[in-house]
Amino acid sequence: AQKITQTQPGMFVQEKEAVTLDCTYDTSDPSYGLFWYKQPSSGEMIFLIYQGSYDQQNATEGRYSLNFQKARKSANLVISASQLGDSAMYFCAMSRSGSARQLTFGSGTQLTVLP
Amino acid sequence: EPEVTQTPSHQVTQMGQEVILRCVPISNHLYFYWYRQILGQKVEFLVSFYNNEISEKSEIFDDQFSVERPDGSNFTLKIRSTKLEDSAMYFCASSEVGQGAYEQYFGPGTRLTVT
Repeated sequence: AQKITQTQPGMFVQEKEAVTLDCTYDTSDPSYGLFWYKQPSSGEMIFLIYQGSYDQQNATEGRYSLNFQKARKSANLVISASQLGDSAMYFCAMSRSGSARQLTFGSGTQLTVLP
Repeated sequence: EPEVTQTPSHQVTQMGQEVILRCVPISNHLYFYWYRQILGQKVEFLVSFYNNEISEKSEIFDDQFSVERPDGSNFTLKIRSTKLEDSAMYFCASSEVGQGAYEQYFGPGTRLTVT
């Protein structure tokens, strides 16, 4: 079974600063994917970034980067230069590779960007 | 940019009634999913669908639930006899087919309220 743990229910960051949202995972699968999604107050789920378990380099997408430490089973999201529009709930998720690709989500971190 | 669409955005129904939630996945995607999110909680996987059959389902997806791809574009979730605890946001998602784990793109969700 897969498990995602997000230990920060809420985080605050000053506008223009960087923030790290923590995510640890547990799986016995040799191949898996790690994802981050953003859920603004309007409710939709927005895909942010993906990291494959065999990827050698950390994934980056614009201001988002994923700090992947396989030995520690962590996949932290780093948001650089925070903007007010980054205020939202952030979910870490993982899936197995192959045909069964259901996403297992963590409980989320509510990020508030302060002006 | 292609996107997943869902209708209706909000459905109110009485306990015991049948509801059908509709989704139009991204056109070249062949994997489809339903997730639900009870208010304030994490997103939970319900079912995945590929090649006109269920690929995986969770323990939540009991006999009261069914999925169908009635034509080349729609993907539906039916709840036969709704219960109060079915009140949640229901997300449809779709992804490409291929090796590895691929990002899933979510629709805006249908908020189901069972009274």
